[in-house]
Amino acid sequence: GQQVMQIPQYQHVQEGEDFTTYCNSSTTLSNIQWYKQRPGGHPVFLIQLVKSGEVKKQKRLTFQFGEAKKNSSLHITATQTTDVGTYFCAGDTGRRALTFGSGTRLQVQP
Amino acid sequence: DTGVSQDPRHKITKRGQNVTFRCDPISEHNRLYWYRQTLGQGPEFLTYFQNEAQLEKSRLLSDRFSAERPKGSFSTLEIQRTEQGDSAMYLCASSFLNSYEQYFGPGTRLTVT
Repeated sequence: GQQVMQIPQYQHVQEGEDFTTYCNSSTTLSNIQWYKQRPGGHPVFLIQLVKSGEVKKQKRLTFQFGEAKKNSSLHITATQTTDVGTYFCAGDTGRRALTFGSGTRLQVQP
Repeated sequence: DTGVSQDPRHKITKRGQNVTFRCDPISEHNRLYWYRQTLGQGPEFLTYFQNEAQLEKSRLLSDRFSAERPKGSFSTLEIQRTEQGDSAMYLCASSFLNSYEQYFGPGTRLTVT
């Protein structure tokens, strides 16, 4: 079955440093979504990427979808303590049943 | 509050008992999804509905699990003869028919003793 791998599992940064998490799917995706889950909370939708090579920005967050539509990345510039949480990618092969990665937990030291 | 709601928020049950969870999606949303999440892992897809029709069910889902959405509004997830391995957070999400964005509820935390 489809697998989505995400690295790193955990990242601890100083406030102001950059952060990147990477996502790789075993199969070609129709689209990929990114979610953020705060400690004790539920996943919250961040963005969806559909086109091959697509790049989208949300303030300090930059999302990329690979040319082969099998990998993606999320980059945060100049992290803040409010960025703390676990970031999940979720792959969709077009069947609407999302396959989530195991997430990257981000800790930001003030 | 017009978000996705789930009830109960916590459930402790003994092994072998049946449990049922309820999810109320955002009212305009046609699609409803159930996921299971264990500590340190991402949500794992269980099943999803479009209106009252169950369109997909994970092959990993045991036949002890059943879900319904009888009137295309709220949904229930029942687990029969619970096992300790069923202990997890059960998340419900909903979305518009033509949107990929899923809105998650707060989840029901199940502990099987």
